[in-house]
Amino acid sequence: DADVTQTPRNRITKTGKRIMLECSQTKGHDRMYWYRQDPGLGLRLIYYSFDVKDINKGEISDGYSVSRQAQAKFSLSLESAIPNQTALYFCATKATNTGELFFGEGSRLTVL
Amino acid sequence: AQSVSQHNHHVILSEAASLELGCNYSYGGTVNLFWYVQYPGQHLQLLLKYFSGDPLVKGIKGFEAEFIKSKFSFNLRKPSVQWSDTAEYFCAVTQSNFGNEKLTFGTGTRLTIIP
Repeated sequence: DADVTQTPRNRITKTGKRIMLECSQTKGHDRMYWYRQDPGLGLRLIYYSFDVKDINKGEISDGYSVSRQAQAKFSLSLESAIPNQTALYFCATKATNTGELFFGEGSRLTVL
Repeated sequence: AQSVSQHNHHVILSEAASLELGCNYSYGGTVNLFWYVQYPGQHLQLLLKYFSGDPLVKGIKGFEAEFIKSKFSFNLRKPSVQWSDTAEYFCAVTQSNFGNEKLTFGTGTRLTIIP
């Protein structure tokens, strides 16, 4: 089983719909992240969390919200999806002793 | 603000050729540097990392990278590539403080190996 699991893996939705992407981890890491990947732009940080009471905005948080339901769960929501949010979204955890990120398999979101 | 530049957007090589992918960063302080690889349809995986010490670091699958502080560079190398190295490669940098969450990724270099 993957250490970082994302659901759904693929989702097609329409403009204006609310979407939630879920992430769960078995690494036992406190720090969790949501990134989006766009062709030619690399990975950009949306939100990150140090623990269930600590949520922080990344560089592109507008249009997104997150919820850290437990140490192992970190969800990303698009309250009203728009086409330019079409992207590949990755959840990641960080090992604080090494700084290494562990990524999920990705959630491909298409907003029509 | 720190930034990372990967000037090679798409590199095409034949099997057994030598590889060097460029990575330059812009931050004047002490940094931690990473190379991640993304195989087609898969998630990112760590190839190698530099925190301190020997500036020549070795990673998995025969990859290595050299940190040259004076050039703000952390280029990735492999002496002889294989078809299975076809992937996208991302350089990333963060300040040397794991409490700092500003891990900045480059835009990636797509590597295509021709059999």
